[in-house]
Amino acid sequence: NAGVTQTPKFQVLKTGQSMTLQCAQDMNHEYMSWYRQDPGMGLRLIHYSVGAGITDQGEVPNGYNVSRSTTEDFPLRLLSAAPSQTSVYFCASSYSGTSNEQFFGPGTRLTVL
Amino acid sequence: GENVEQHPSTLSVQEGDSAVIKCTYSDSASNYFPWYKQELGKRPQLIIDIRSNVGEKKDQRIAVTLNKTAKHFSLHITETQPEDSAVYFCAAGGSYIPTFGRGTSLIVHP
Repeated sequence: NAGVTQTPKFQVLKTGQSMTLQCAQDMNHEYMSWYRQDPGMGLRLIHYSVGAGITDQGEVPNGYNVSRSTTEDFPLRLLSAAPSQTSVYFCASSYSGTSNEQFFGPGTRLTVL
Repeated sequence: GENVEQHPSTLSVQEGDSAVIKCTYSDSASNYFPWYKQELGKRPQLIIDIRSNVGEKKDQRIAVTLNKTAKHFSLHITETQPEDSAVYFCAAGGSYIPTFGRGTSLIVHP
């Protein structure tokens, strides 16, 4: 199993540009989520999904959109990038059973100029 | 929603010493308390977790304790080694996505 994969690993954008961060998992996990990690701020939840077709907002959703058309994929869209969105983005997935362990992807380091 | 506070933000110890990281949570409905370790440039990975029906759990040099009445839980690392140097995150939650603390940077000096 590849686990949770993310692309790209690095990205530089100009203010106002849009892009999609890709996330996929091959563990048949129901739950998927997106976090951003900034120095001293921990892991802040952006959006999450409890199954295909179901998404909800987390702590810091503004400026981001998500969709979940399949169990495997959970892309994160930046509609109009801003310097405040410079961060490291982690996708994670977890099973809805007795173990709630979050499996994280390798992360995407995004810089917005 | 859930709010998780984590202290200290930085912890510096000598190799062989013990390290303790403490977290508090606000939602009494939370019943799952994991701890993640993130090495520099890597992804967070689960190192130990505890559920609300258990007061303490050990795995070799690491242990977690939970006090549901006081709504706090702690990570204990004994006989620290340089490879324990990392950022540690606590989290609290129920059956969905847990809420993370802000992290503790643990530095173990040889």
